[in-house]
Amino acid sequence: SQQGEEDPQALSIQEGENATMNCSYKTSINNLQWYRQNSGRGLVHLILIRSNEREKHSGRLRVTLDTSKKSSSLLITASRAADTASYFCATGNQFYFGTGTSLTVIP
Amino acid sequence: KAGVTQTPRYLIKTRGQQVTLSCSPISGHRSVSWYQQTPGQGLQFLFEYFSETQRNKGNFPGRFSGRQFSNSRSEMNVSTLELGDSALYLCASSTMGSLAGGQETQYFGPGTRLLVL
Repeated sequence: SQQGEEDPQALSIQEGENATMNCSYKTSINNLQWYRQNSGRGLVHLILIRSNEREKHSGRLRVTLDTSKKSSSLLITASRAADTASYFCATGNQFYFGTGTSLTVIP
Repeated sequence: KAGVTQTPRYLIKTRGQQVTLSCSPISGHRSVSWYQQTPGQGLQFLFEYFSETQRNKGNFPGRFSGRQFSNSRSEMNVSTLELGDSALYLCASSTMGSLAGGQETQYFGPGTRLLVL
């Protein structure tokens, strides 16, 4: 299966702290994408990292990719209450999502 | 550009009934994918349509079907509803879909929440 798996399943932090979540996958990939989903709504694309990239930044987001370990991490710095959401990684032809990490940022 | 729209937003059905959900992609997008999201199983891929043809299919029973029209709008149908079909159904659109090999961003609609009683 190409499905990514996020870890941890749930994460609760104080506003201002950093949040790190991980994604592991099983097969070789061309790229990996991260999405965010606010409660019960559609997913929003955050960032795409290609297999030949090791790190990518977008605003307060930092994504790393280690193809040798088949894993990726998403770091959200200086978290805000508005970052409260579920975060998913997607691999393959974008059709395979993990079960997500539920992030709660406490004001 | 208008985003992906899904109708209806909420639906209540009873076991044994059938349901049809609709998805209008972003203008110019030819690929529409459908997903089922439940608390226990997460986000599961149902199928992808591109230019009126089903291009990929997930591991769902034949009760789940879909189609795409010439204007790229897509519908999915679930027949003989079961309690376990209660879920949030999401559709996503992109320009080339699987043909882009995962290089594209998918744009998701708000979803249709289906409750089967």
